[in-house]
Amino acid sequence: LQLQESGPGLVKPSETLSLTCTVSGGSISSSSYYWGWIRQPPGKGLEWIGSIYYSGSTYYNPSLKSRVTISVDTSNNQFSLKLSSVTAADTAVYYCARRDYHSYAMDVWGQGTTVTVSS
Amino acid sequence: DIQMTQSPSSVSASVGDRVTITCRASQGISSWLAWYQQKPGKAPKLLIYAASNLQSGVPSRFSGSGSGTDFTLTISSLQPEDFATYYCQQASSPFGGGTKVEIK
Repeated sequence: LQLQESGPGLVKPSETLSLTCTVSGGSISSSSYYWGWIRQPPGKGLEWIGSIYYSGSTYYNPSLKSRVTISVDTSNNQFSLKLSSVTAADTAVYYCARRDYHSYAMDVWGQGTTVTVSS
Repeated sequence: DIQMTQSPSSVSASVGDRVTITCRASQGISSWLAWYQQKPGKAPKLLIYAASNLQSGVPSRFSGSGSGTDFTLTISSLQPEDFATYYCQQASSPFGGGTKVEIK
């Protein structure tokens, strides 16, 4: 199974960041997994953004919840992240990952994509 | 909200040393804790899930223990490829701040 993030590498302040994660080698509709987004600002630690189940149920980091939307497209085996009203503080490497439903651990990760917020 | 606190934030060690990293949850989380290894420029890699279960393919020198609020990741004999940053994570929510394992 492989995950691949895609989307613009540069976003202007106040705009919406949009990323897609494409799942290959397995089905996003598996009942055994959630799918999530994590980010890492330059030189800093990991921050969990949120996760989604194939049915569409979601849960988000409370500190980002007002700006985050995660959605799933089972027909294309993809899930997506939208983060609104971005600022320079949202500049980071964004990772998508698979979360095991039973162990809660993120066992497969994408390679990450760098998003810079700048005018 | 649950907070995860890792210590130390960095440790200097030599090849062959035993290294222990701790992670404390602000409230009890049963055994829902994972440990990850991250090398520069790379995505994190799952090492341990459910506090003490070794992920497939991970060397047996890595081990995890704990439950409730206090958890430990131990590397029994540090190898050159183990120099990296390690993170704990509660379920699939907050991560700890990370522990950088550096060459002494």
